[in-house]
Amino acid sequence: EPEVTQTPSHQVTQMGQEVILRCVPISNHLYFYWYRQILGQKVEFLVSFYNNEISEKSEIFDDQFSVERPDGSNFTLKIRSTKLEDSAMYFCASLSGTRLRVRETQYFGPGTRLLVL
Amino acid sequence: AQSVSQHNHHVILSEAASLELGCNYSYGGTVNLFWYVQYPGQHLQLLLKYFSGDPLVKGIKGFEAEFIKSKFSFNLRKPSVQWSDTAEYFCAVNPSGTYKYIFGTGTRLKVLA
Repeated sequence: EPEVTQTPSHQVTQMGQEVILRCVPISNHLYFYWYRQILGQKVEFLVSFYNNEISEKSEIFDDQFSVERPDGSNFTLKIRSTKLEDSAMYFCASLSGTRLRVRETQYFGPGTRLLVL
Repeated sequence: AQSVSQHNHHVILSEAASLELGCNYSYGGTVNLFWYVQYPGQHLQLLLKYFSGDPLVKGIKGFEAEFIKSKFSFNLRKPSVQWSDTAEYFCAVNPSGTYKYIFGTGTRLKVLA
């Protein structure tokens, strides 16, 4: 069964450094998402991406964050200057979108655990 | 603001006990509803979903959920849990016509053998 993959599985970085988290969505999917889960807290929506542009973003997704689909397979989340509070598990998800837009299932990746020191 | 509440943060049950996990959401419009499960060390997997039609939906592994529109609820049930159901369960809401998915805080279920 096709699955969403994410790299790296763990990343440790110093405060103020830039990080790029990578995701490979399921190949024929059209909608892509990033979520984060701070330890012990809920899964929070960050951003959705369709047709090479952001379709929706949350208040968490400020100017520090950006997303890109550089080559038609990868979907990246960049954090420009990491803060301690960015430490979390970051999940990527993709959705087919070939039928009734979002009336379908999201498939989640295994997550990247980011630790900012 | 749109939100999803899962009131039970931790639940401990013995095998064969019945399970009901609560999920309430605050949103006035039409929604799509989901329950996801996260087994230890694994990623989120879909248990079941509701878009429209019969408010009682059946999912994988014997789980079901009932959408009660008047109560803004989508509670998850299983008549008899197994040790292998030990996991974290997340309710999620997608307001229709949007790309946004709002998750609850999760309920950590531990089933004792």
